[in-house]
Amino acid sequence: KAGVTQTPRYLIKTRGQQVTLSCSPISGHRSVSWYQQTPGQGLQFLFEYFSETQRNKGNFPGRFSGRQFSNSRSEMNVSTLELGDSALYLCASSFLVSDTQYFGPGTRLTVL
Amino acid sequence: KQEVTQIPAALSVPEGENLVLNCSFTDSAIYNLQWFRQDPGKGLTSLLLIQSSQREQTSGRLNASLDKSSGRSTLYIAASQPGDSATYLCAEPGAAGNKLTFGGGTRVLVKP
Repeated sequence: KAGVTQTPRYLIKTRGQQVTLSCSPISGHRSVSWYQQTPGQGLQFLFEYFSETQRNKGNFPGRFSGRQFSNSRSEMNVSTLELGDSALYLCASSFLVSDTQYFGPGTRLTVL
Repeated sequence: KQEVTQIPAALSVPEGENLVLNCSFTDSAIYNLQWFRQDPGKGLTSLLLIQSSQREQTSGRLNASLDKSSGRSTLYIAASQPGDSATYLCAEPGAAGNKLTFGGGTRVLVKP
């Protein structure tokens, strides 16, 4: 069974631009969560989707948004990029809520 | 607000020695606790998930214990190998399902 895939793997953007990251969960998994990882703050929860509905949202500004499609694939969008948004963005999927989460390889976003 | 702490932040051991990694959490109503491994610049690999009703979980050379009363989990890695060098993270979902709160991680170096 294929693992969680994320595209693109690397992105370079400039301040003020917007970006969309994509995540394809493991086949059959309906829950998708997003995390931001930075050296200073570690791993922080962004949001979680289950069956196209946002179940939880972390403490991030409204510039960060996401959605989930009927095939469970998910996208997250960051508008008006800031230097501090440079991070590794990780997506995770699970079959059920509170089940083992399986992580993708991440998207490395660099904002110049 | 639940907190997860991992001490020490880094540790170095000679090959063959047993590794003991600590994780402390403040959530007395913990649902489960997950241990992950992260190689530099990569995503997270799920190692073990231990349910709140369990006291320990084993997979190969790995054994994780959970003590809710003391708010601690320990990951044991027997007979360490250089390939075990990585950062190990623990996380718990709280009552919100898949909203994982992570510890800061312990960076492990196993010297040949």
